[in-house]
Amino acid sequence: NAGVTQTPKFRVLKTGQSMTLLCAQDMNHEYMYWYRQDPGMGLRLIHYSVGEGTTAKGEVPDGYNVSRLKKQNFLLGLESAAPSQTSVYFCASSTTRNTEAFFGQGTRLTVV
Amino acid sequence: AQSVSQHNHHVILSEAASLELGCNYSYGGTVNLFWYVQYPGQHLQLLLKYFSGDPLVKGIKGFEAEFIKSKFSFNLRKPSVQWSDTAEYFCAVHTGGFKTIFGAGTRLFVKA
Repeated sequence: NAGVTQTPKFRVLKTGQSMTLLCAQDMNHEYMYWYRQDPGMGLRLIHYSVGEGTTAKGEVPDGYNVSRLKKQNFLLGLESAAPSQTSVYFCASSTTRNTEAFFGQGTRLTVV
Repeated sequence: AQSVSQHNHHVILSEAASLELGCNYSYGGTVNLFWYVQYPGQHLQLLLKYFSGDPLVKGIKGFEAEFIKSKFSFNLRKPSVQWSDTAEYFCAVHTGGFKTIFGAGTRLFVKA
């Protein structure tokens, strides 16, 4: 019962570096999401996907790209990291768009 | 703009004290409401949810919440907290489409 798994759990990047965060779910969920969590601001939606091969922008998409080549995986990419992207990133999945979401454990990213 | 307000960012209680965490949202349409909990070092998980029907909903671990439509509120309650309830609590409101708005969170610390 892995649920939603995110890798890596921690990462430190230098400004301008790139990286990819991986999210994998084993619940056969259609919908997947990437959020960022910043102090005092709750979770904000970066991008989401309604199924394999589809992606869409959320509330704060700038500076990020995503891909959903396989139903179980949802990748979040940072092409050129900036200090403003220092945050905790959460991946989530759900069966439909308005049911409960299942979350990964989060990735703490620091950009210096 | 649509928003979710959690009134207290930090709450400190002694064991056996009663808990009430406030959540208000600004949206006039139909909503689905959620409370999520994040225990230290763990992922967010669902405490309870409200879609329709009885406005008093019961969740896991003795938590309950009441939806008061006229007040746009969905407050979380527990009659007697335990040390193990120490966590961060998030209220979330689904307003349609892929729009789920999270509150900023309330950190609860329960003193043993």
